[in-house]
Amino acid sequence: GDSVTQMEGPVTLSEEAFLTINCTYTATGYPSLFWYVQYPGEGLQLLLKATKADDKGSNKGFEATYRKETTSFHLEKGSVQVSDSAVYFCALPPAGTYKYIFGTGTRLKVLA
Amino acid sequence: EPEVTQTPSHQVTQMGQEVILRCVPISNHLYFYWYRQILGQKVEFLVSFYNNEISEKSEIFDDQFSVERPDGSNFTLKIRSTKLEDSAMYFCASSLGGGAGNTIYFGEGSWLTVV
Repeated sequence: GDSVTQMEGPVTLSEEAFLTINCTYTATGYPSLFWYVQYPGEGLQLLLKATKADDKGSNKGFEATYRKETTSFHLEKGSVQVSDSAVYFCALPPAGTYKYIFGTGTRLKVLA
Repeated sequence: EPEVTQTPSHQVTQMGQEVILRCVPISNHLYFYWYRQILGQKVEFLVSFYNNEISEKSEIFDDQFSVERPDGSNFTLKIRSTKLEDSAMYFCASSLGGGAGNTIYFGEGSWLTVV
């Protein structure tokens, strides 16, 4: 079945460092891909999405490119801030279903 | 910006008691969902609901669970006889359309603690 694999956390970075959080997937067909973020004590918020191969989703300085050839959707940001400290989830909706499958989440901690 | 709202934000209940978690989805959305997240674990799909019936459910969503849209705005999750392992954050979500590619919007969650 479809699955999402995220890099293990936690990831600890200094402010202004470059961020990459890896996400790879296994899916039937070419589903849309999503990144959600969960700030401490809050719910899941959509961060960005891409709906087809080679699409780049972007929001708040974060970017992710839908790579069909490597089945990846890595999240990147050029310069992280303390306020980016959160848990980041990669997700996809398997074809023919109403649900999303989430990765295990990657906790990011940014130090001032 | 429209949002999904959930109540209560936190509930503590005795094992064996019934719990109802409430949600108000985004007003023009047609598809509604419940997910849960056990502390430190991944977010898991429970059920999706469309046109007043369940459209899909996971193996977690057994006879202990039920969902209802009692009026035009609320969407509820009932857990009939809570167990310790039901302790989790429960997220309600909604989307305009169903199926792959539709963006799902989540509420802030209801944290359920079963003691």
